[in-house]
Amino acid sequence: NAGVMQNPRHLVRRRGQEARLRCSPMKGHSHVYWYRQLPEEGLKFMVYLQKENIIDESGMPKERFSAEFPKEGPSILRIQQVVRGDSAAYFCASSPSYSGANVLTFGAGSRLTVL
Amino acid sequence: AQTVTQSQPEMSVQEAETVTLSCTYDTSESDYYLFWYKQPPSRQMILVIRQEAYKQQNATENRFSVNFQKAAKSFSLKISDSQLGDAAMYFCAYRSPINTGTASKLTFGTGTRLQVTL
Repeated sequence: NAGVMQNPRHLVRRRGQEARLRCSPMKGHSHVYWYRQLPEEGLKFMVYLQKENIIDESGMPKERFSAEFPKEGPSILRIQQVVRGDSAAYFCASSPSYSGANVLTFGAGSRLTVL
Repeated sequence: AQTVTQSQPEMSVQEAETVTLSCTYDTSESDYYLFWYKQPPSRQMILVIRQEAYKQQNATENRFSVNFQKAAKSFSLKISDSQLGDAAMYFCAYRSPINTGTASKLTFGTGTRLQVTL
């Protein structure tokens, strides 16, 4: 079981460019969550998706950020026109069902640096 | 909204000794889940231990145990026989029960950096 796979591990973008972060959940998991970790802070919830559906995006900035989890392929977190404040580690987690008792399994994160 | 507070930015423990990391939270819910995650320098988030609020018995996982005080809304982590590999950031996290609009979210504290010395 390969666990939650995120790529790229490191991404450098200039201001105004687009960043795309990918997440493949654990085998058998159909629920994906994205979290952001700013330097020296804890993780902050961004969005929760199931296959082809956004369930909860209350933590996602209203502009420039979007997420999808298509029927086939990984979940994508897309940040358009990046700014320096977007520099952070972005973590993906997955779970097999909606139950609150189920533990979220995290990936190793993608570190975005905006120059 | 729930909040999680970790008041110790850094802690240090000698190898083989015991250390306790503090966590308090605020919620109006009666049933919920609490977690401790470890984040080593690799940045991978690793689950250390979890506790269901409806269970009075404190969770234990080998050298890791918790002191869950529901009335005080306190959830501390005790690491016994500390090892060099325990050095990491430790995050306390709260999750609402199932079938609520916020059940998908983990709310994290700001973390405690644990150093383990020889």
